[in-house]
Amino acid sequence: SQQGEEDPQALSIQEGENATMNCSYKTSINNLQWYRQNSGRGLVHLILIRSNEREKHSGRLRVTLDTSKKSSSLLITASRAADTASYFCATDAYNNAGNMLTFGGGTRLMVKP
Amino acid sequence: NAGVTQTPKFRVLKTGQSMTLLCAQDMNHEYMYWYRQDPGMGLRLIHYSVGEGTTAKGEVPDGYNVSRLKKQNFLLGLESAAPSQTSVYFCASSYPEKTQYFGPGTRLLVL
Repeated sequence: SQQGEEDPQALSIQEGENATMNCSYKTSINNLQWYRQNSGRGLVHLILIRSNEREKHSGRLRVTLDTSKKSSSLLITASRAADTASYFCATDAYNNAGNMLTFGGGTRLMVKP
Repeated sequence: NAGVTQTPKFRVLKTGQSMTLLCAQDMNHEYMYWYRQDPGMGLRLIHYSVGEGTTAKGEVPDGYNVSRLKKQNFLLGLESAAPSQTSVYFCASSYPEKTQYFGPGTRLLVL
């Protein structure tokens, strides 16, 4: 079973617009991470937010975490065509031996030039 | 610094054949992981290792075996391949409680 579920499954926007993706999860976590995957490639880590943090920024990325609702969002501002990729949230569950990550199904983002 | 590398990049097997996928990392990471990714889905953990000589089962371990004889290498074996094992396999490594770094993936087709 997948701990994280992304919403929407697919998103198409114009270059320059903002893109928001949401992730919901089921159990208590140590942290939540967002990864990007370009077509046919491996995953690249974007940002990690710990359970005691509410918001984190990295460049054009903003991640929020609401542990009471067990949800997170990833905002990409001023999107570019190069942001076209699939985005996955992954949770590191509390008391998790080996720091195993559980991935959601991903949001496929297309940014049109 | 190559990061995480995987060999082979692509392989076609017939049902019942066996093969081994190799993952190597040069970052001195303690933890290593094997995932599979099916079309349109996220990654699912097959097996993982928290140190040389140790392995543990993940979410979908059936039909796979692993070994971690050296800290830098993590091998994934398929003893008798089945069409349901057609997938893209990703290896990752990390320090404890830190970001996982992923390899480029191995595409496996089982006919």
